[in-house]
Amino acid sequence: AQSVTQLDSQVPVFEEAPVELRCNYSSSVSVYLFWYVQYPNQGLQLLLKYLSGSTLVKGINGFEAEFNKSQTSFHLRKPSVHISDTAEYFCAVSDTRRSNTGKLIFGQGTTLQVKP
Amino acid sequence: DTGVSQNPRHKITKRGQNVTFRCDPISEHNRLYWYRQTLGQGPEFLTYFQNEAQLEKSRLLSDRFSAERPKGSFSTLEIQRTEQGDSAMYLCASSLATLYEQYFGPGTRLTVT
Repeated sequence: AQSVTQLDSQVPVFEEAPVELRCNYSSSVSVYLFWYVQYPNQGLQLLLKYLSGSTLVKGINGFEAEFNKSQTSFHLRKPSVHISDTAEYFCAVSDTRRSNTGKLIFGQGTTLQVKP
Repeated sequence: DTGVSQNPRHKITKRGQNVTFRCDPISEHNRLYWYRQTLGQGPEFLTYFQNEAQLEKSRLLSDRFSAERPKGSFSTLEIQRTEQGDSAMYLCASSLATLYEQYFGPGTRLTVT
């Protein structure tokens, strides 16, 4: 079984400042890793994913994340945030085995609050 | 590509009533998932279809819940004898078996009074 822990429930930050949203996971098998963003009253939108290869992955809207296997982490970063980045962010994992259904296991979410 | 659509967007019902939600996935996607999201939490997996076959159900999916995907196209999620604890956002997602990212619909928000 897998589990995901997002270490911060809320992250307040000023506009144009850098931000890091932390995610740790636990799994007995290899996993794929994802970050999704959810704006109010909307569904989830994929920001980026790690499947294999380079541990630094770049996504949409200037976000990037680094996979650290030894620390079982997949932290999300952005060098300069905008007001429009205010949203809920979810880290998720999926089992890599061929028999897996691809279902996602999500963390509890981190609310990013960007202040002017 | 019109994305994943869900109807209705909002549903208010009285305890004990039955409700049904519909999900229309992206047309070429053969995988379809249902998740439930309660306030302040991440989505939780409910069930998975590959084409028309329901291949996995979470233990969260009690006997009052049933899902179908006739002909491998749209899907419906029915909740019978609703309870206040069923109040949540119900999210549908679809994907291709050869890809790994899931595309989510806007969700149906259920309020049981």
